[in-house]
Amino acid sequence: DAKTTQPTSMDCAEGRAANLPCNHSTISGNEYVYWYRQIHSQGPQYIIHGLKNNETNEMASLIITEDRKSSTLILPHATLRDTAVYYCIVRYNQAGTALIFGKGTTLSVSS
Amino acid sequence: EPEVTQTPSHQVTQMGQEVILRCVPISNHLYFYWYRQILGQKVEFLVSFYNNEISEKSEIFDDQFSVERPDGSNFTLKIRSTKLEDSAMYFCASNLRGGDEKLFFGSGTQLSVL
Repeated sequence: DAKTTQPTSMDCAEGRAANLPCNHSTISGNEYVYWYRQIHSQGPQYIIHGLKNNETNEMASLIITEDRKSSTLILPHATLRDTAVYYCIVRYNQAGTALIFGKGTTLSVSS
Repeated sequence: EPEVTQTPSHQVTQMGQEVILRCVPISNHLYFYWYRQILGQKVEFLVSFYNNEISEKSEIFDDQFSVERPDGSNFTLKIRSTKLEDSAMYFCASNLRGGDEKLFFGSGTQLSVL
């Protein structure tokens, strides 16, 4: 089973920041935190990943707590097109290691 | 951005028939994966493939399933004798190094077993 815990659903107003939490209290030192999303049964889409430090790219920011037991994905200005299921995944960065998806958080962005 | 291509987008078959789902991974990628998603459920890992061998497989990937890279561009998933419960969306994915690399997913093949 997945090593992460996420809320089942969240709502966000368009234009506001969406903050999606994830608990991964059993994460080991070599495991990375990955975020993917799935828009309406399309293929999952990579968002961001990190090990210890906070990360930012054109899609989102990832904040990892100092003890690495939890993290938050931030979509700074959510749009209607960000409505999706968001998956937080903990994974070793070894060649061929599969991503194991949990149930994720369904984010609904409304106008 | 380069894409993983899957064909067909929707396939209907009769129970007991063999099906082959096709994928064209991104051209310079080396690691290939199949996932499935039954309607309303989570995305499930089936198998990973590298250097013409299976790297890892889940309990779902039993003897009814096989994968192949028949040429330099295609990656296929074969289900020998389909069951009703094989009805699902099947996603192919690929990445370059398999480690600290994001997976690129295709748009999926919806398999309906009647």
